[in-house]
Parts: sequence; structure tokens; C-alpha cells
Amino acid sequence: RKEVEQDPGPFNVPEGATVAFNCTYSNSASQSFFWYRQDCRKEPKLLMSVYSSGNEDGRFTAQLNRASQYISLLIRDSKLSDSATYLCVVNPHKLIFGTGTRLQVFP
Amino acid sequence: DAGVIQSPRHEVTEMGQEVTLRCKPISGHNSLFWYRQTMMRGLELLIYFNNNVPIDDSGMPEDRFSAKMPNASFSTLKIQPSEPRDSAVYFCASSGGETQYFGPGTRLLVL
Repeated sequence: RKEVEQDPGPFNVPEGATVAFNCTYSNSASQSFFWYRQDCRKEPKLLMSVYSSGNEDGRFTAQLNRASQYISLLIRDSKLSDSATYLCVVNPHKLIFGTGTRLQVFP
Repeated sequence: DAGVIQSPRHEVTEMGQEVTLRCKPISGHNSLFWYRQTMMRGLELLIYFNNNVPIDDSGMPEDRFSAKMPNASFSTLKIQPSEPRDSAVYFCASSGGETQYFGPGTRLLVL
């Protein structure tokens, strides 16, 4: 079993839609969690950290469920510019990246 | 502010040749990471340094790979001899806390 698992997608959604990604992790000792965004042929960039109580940054909401060992990312009012690959990252003692979920927002 | 700098940005070489990838971390960051990204395996951590000292090299595929960090502003990842299966994008990242900042990557193609 992979340490971090994500649905690779692609998720194809129209502008304005709400889309959610989930990610599961295997190491219950993981202490910190993140979502990174990677544009095509670019480097990954931190989108947001994920806190136990859940957190929001504009149109983006991240949730953590430690009991079930999954993390989610919700994007509201999708924009064309949200098209990218979203990487789930957990940190048991070093960052472990998922293989990413690809999002394509169309007009 | 300059981000993480990597060179070369692209490298095409023949099997058996030595390949050296270079990285300059963000000034003031004390941790440096080398990753490899492929379609099949995603982003894999190869090795990371803290204060120029290698801390975890468990991700280094085999003896053909080596990494050095002679000072706080420079690191190299060397592959000798290179093989076609080494073709990937190699990222360097640095951090001064928990957030890692990635360089633009080196696209390596081994023929």
C-alpha cells in the first residue's frame, strides 16, 4: 500500500463548480499535512497547510480526519486558473508526496 | 528575491555518461532536498541535508547516485553511470521551516 494515495483524475469541471479531492495516508504517526499545487511542467508550490480543525483560504478549504486518516481539499467557484495537479503531502518525519490529482476547469 | 536555482534546466545524455545536477538553495535556508519525479512513481525524495549534513539518503536508488553539499549555498546530485531509467525531472527544494520551496527542476533524458 502506498503511503499517500490520491485519485489521479482527471477531474473535469466547468467554471464556477465546486470540486473536492480526497487523499488517504497510511502512517498514523503523521504530524503535519499539506496541499501543494503543480502546474504543467512547473515545480510544486505550497497551496495550504492542513490543520486539525480544518482551515479555509479564500475559495479553498482543507479538512483533516485523523481517525480515518484522510485529508480533503474543497475548491469552490472553480476558475480556469485552478487547472493544475494537486499533491497531497503528509509528514511522518519527512514529506511524503502523493502522485497528485489532476484538475481541468473548462469554460 | 531569488528562489531555488537549478542547473542545467535540461540535460540529454547517453547511457553510461556522468550527469551532474546543481542546486543553489534560498539564502538562509538550512535544509536542502533532492527529489525525482516520474509519471509512474510521482515525486520521490532522494536525499536531504540539514546544515550541509546528509540526514536521510534512504531514497537514493543505488550506488550510481551520489549527492554532496560542500557549503550552505551549493549542492550537487551526480549520476554515474547514467541509465535510461534515470530519465525524470529532478527537483531541488530548500526550507527554513516546514514549507519547502522548489526549484524549477532539471529535465533529464538518458538515451
